[in-house]
Amino acid sequence: ETGVTQSPTHLIKTRGQQVTLRCSSQSGHNTVSWYQQALGQGPQFIFQYYREEENGRGNFPPRFSGLQFPNYSSELNVNALELDDSALYLCASSFGGAGANVLTFGAGSRLTVL
Amino acid sequence: DQQVKQNSPSLSVQEGRISILNCDYTNSMFDYFLWYKKYPAEGPTFLISISSIKDKNEDGRFTVFLNKSAKHLSLHIVPSQPGDSAVYFCAARANAGGTSYGKLTFGQGTILTVHP
Repeated sequence: ETGVTQSPTHLIKTRGQQVTLRCSSQSGHNTVSWYQQALGQGPQFIFQYYREEENGRGNFPPRFSGLQFPNYSSELNVNALELDDSALYLCASSFGGAGANVLTFGAGSRLTVL
Repeated sequence: DQQVKQNSPSLSVQEGRISILNCDYTNSMFDYFLWYKKYPAEGPTFLISISSIKDKNEDGRFTVFLNKSAKHLSLHIVPSQPGDSAVYFCAARANAGGTSYGKLTFGQGTILTVHP
């Protein structure tokens, strides 16, 4: 059973650029959630995808967008990067959409915006 | 608006003793609570959870207590081991229908250090 894998592990961008982060779900999982963890803080919910549709969103602007593919992998896209977007981005997968309690997290993608 | 708070940024404990990590919440809609552990360069890993219909859940050395009237939960680790040294996050889920089930609200985390 493979876990949640994320790529890239680290990347550096400049303000105004766009970034795409990728996530492969744990085998058997059909729901993907994305979280942003700023330094010294807990993870904050960005959004969740189930059956290739966004079905829950946190307090993040529309320049944060995502996709889920038929194989349940997912992408997080961030446009017009700002300095405050520098953070660890965590992908989590689970099974079941509604009723999915326990999330399995990847190791994250650390984004630095200069 | 910090709905889940872990007021102790760090905790230091001697090996073999009890570690008690605390968490407070404000949202009455939270119905499921989880603890995650995070090592450096790794993602958070699930440790233990508790439903709001219970007040205690035990799994080996780990016990979670829930006090709904006080909106407080705690994680007890007995006995503590050096390998338990990590950041511990408290998280909560609100029962607001299917769109919320993936959404966990996390506390800021507590760094636990267990000394040999």
